[in-house]
Amino acid sequence: DADVTQTPRNRITKTGKRIMLECSQTKGHDRMYWYRQDPGLGLRLIYYSFDVKDINKGEISDGYSVSRQAQAKFSLSLESAIPNQTALYFCATSDLRGIDTDTQYFGPGTRLTVL
Amino acid sequence: AQSVTQLDSHVSVSEGTPVLLRCNYSSSYSPSLFWYVQHPNKGLQLLLKYTSAATLVKGINGFEAEFKKSETSFHLTKPSAHMSDAAEYFCVVTPYNAGNMLTFGGGTRLMVKP
Repeated sequence: DADVTQTPRNRITKTGKRIMLECSQTKGHDRMYWYRQDPGLGLRLIYYSFDVKDINKGEISDGYSVSRQAQAKFSLSLESAIPNQTALYFCATSDLRGIDTDTQYFGPGTRLTVL
Repeated sequence: AQSVTQLDSHVSVSEGTPVLLRCNYSSSYSPSLFWYVQHPNKGLQLLLKYTSAATLVKGINGFEAEFKKSETSFHLTKPSAHMSDAAEYFCVVTPYNAGNMLTFGGGTRLMVKP
């Protein structure tokens, strides 16, 4: 969905490096999410945020941190990357109000490789 | 608690033949159910969504899914496959109107042969 953008789209890094993945959205949604995708496991939730002052851990938050800089921006950081964090990372948004609050809209993904 | 099982990790069909992607779910709440599609090197696109209205849900690109509560199933179908349907498909469940609690199935990769 062009309304949700992620940068970078691809990144190769080395073990121990700090990495930040960024997500921006123009949908005006309050809620934002970070997921990782691994083959055969679908997507798993890392962190989510319901507004700028609200950050919550998801299913697999260990080794990750997030920052919600503004309603439209939500960043994911790997403080010290390790090889098993090699995955495809997705940002998503959803609306807080209205009849479509349980539908999430996804960005194009960031492919991260940790050597 | 909720979970989703996609019964086939890979499905292969010939172009012009029907598509069936199977999904079973469990949920402690009245669920909303979704199918998303992921084309190579693309993000996830919403195909269709069930939220306790009509049990037969029509989506984009000719896909539809039927919610069967007694069988806890939400299978995705299409009468005639097209080459452009080749992609990975995810079945997703969440409690109704609880958008923060999506649970994804493991995905089904659909291959379409000419």
